[in-house]
Parts: sequence; C-alpha cells; structure tokens
Amino acid sequence: DIVMTQGALPNPVPSGESASITCQSSKSLLHSNGKTYLNWYLQRPGQSPQLLIYWMSTRASGVSDRFSGSGSGTDFTLKISSVEAEDVGVYYCQQFLEYPRTFGSGTKLEIK
Amino acid sequence: QVQLKESGPGLVQPSQTLSLTCTVSGFSLTSYNVHWVRQPPGKGLEWMGRMRYNGDTSYNSALKSRLSISRDTSKNQVFLKMNSLQTDDTGTYYCTRPTEGIVDWGQGVMVTVSS
Repeated sequence: DIVMTQGALPNPVPSGESASITCQSSKSLLHSNGKTYLNWYLQRPGQSPQLLIYWMSTRASGVSDRFSGSGSGTDFTLKISSVEAEDVGVYYCQQFLEYPRTFGSGTKLEIK
Repeated sequence: QVQLKESGPGLVQPSQTLSLTCTVSGFSLTSYNVHWVRQPPGKGLEWMGRMRYNGDTSYNSALKSRLSISRDTSKNQVFLKMNSLQTDDTGTYYCTRPTEGIVDWGQGVMVTVSS
C-alpha cells in the first residue's frame, strides 16, 4: 500500500498569513500519462470532507484561488495564501493512483 | 443534483455484523463508482472499499477478511457489511462518489460499537 505522510503546521497561524502543508508519498504518484494522482481535501469541523485540489495542482470548482497545490512525484505542498477563519479544519492528502486508496493522517489548521 | 445518504444502526454490539446502506440519487450506479470511507472519532480518514460501476469491488487489505460491498442498482443502493466488529470500528462511515475534479460525499452515519 502507498503510505502518505503529512507534516504539521505551527499552529495557530495568524489571520492573513500564508500556510503550507506538506505531504509525502512512499511511491511516485506520477503516471505515465503525465498526471499526478493526488487529491487535497479540507474537512471543516462537523462536516464531510470537501475536495480542494485534484491532479496535484488543479483547483476543484468553486475553490478559492488562495489554495494552490504543487509538488513532484512524491513530495507535495498545499499552500493557503492569506488564511481566513473559514479555512479552519483538517487537511488531508490522498493518493488515487492505486487501490487501496490511502489518505495522509491529516494536518490541523488553527487561526489566530 | 447528486446526493448520497448513508443509513444504518447507530449502535452495534461487539462481535456482531454492521450493515450500512448508501442510497444515491442524481446518477446511476452503472456509470459511477461508489467508495466507502470511515473516520474514528477525532481521527483521520480510512478508505474501506469500492463498488465499481461494472460491479467489481476493491477492499482495504486490512479489512478485506471482514468486509463485503454489494449493490442493488434497481434501488440505487450500495451496501456495506462488516463482521466481527470491535470497539475500534466505532466512527463515522461515509459513502462517496469520486469523479475527475469532483468528489461527492454523504453526510456520514455514526456507528458506535458497544455492549
């Protein structure tokens, strides 16, 4: 199984500052078709997760352009520019290259 | 409008079998995959398994011996059955429909394993 490892944030993050969340996979998620099979989700308190980023760097419909995804085949970053109160929650990376699908352990964002 | 809704018992006794239903609307189970994901209280997400549009299934290897996913396309329902439940199976169980660029989630159903 592909293991997804997420980094922590130096919480709380001051409102208006940027925050970067890292994720590492135990196997390259770069497919021969040129696409990287990585999703980012945000789970706000008490809610179901919502998709933020797919194919490592493509924002899902309706997602603020303050969110951006980048990376290589095994190392990924979700950047949130100018964090706001509504960004509070837990962020998960997930690989969808292979079954079983696997998630990172989550990174909590708190705002000051 | 795509909707997924999980239903099932809120309380299950240890060693018993969990049966959950995901009722979908707005799309056909013969065209899209449906996955099950669970989340213990205060913890992260765990992918459990998948019902493919053609009826094939895939399972988390850690759960495979206890887990079964099936469907009734005429009722637009996907079923999850997991046996030999223990207290660490307590959590919220979600069904999801992942497609390119969109992942629809149900609201989740909380399941407590306790005597």
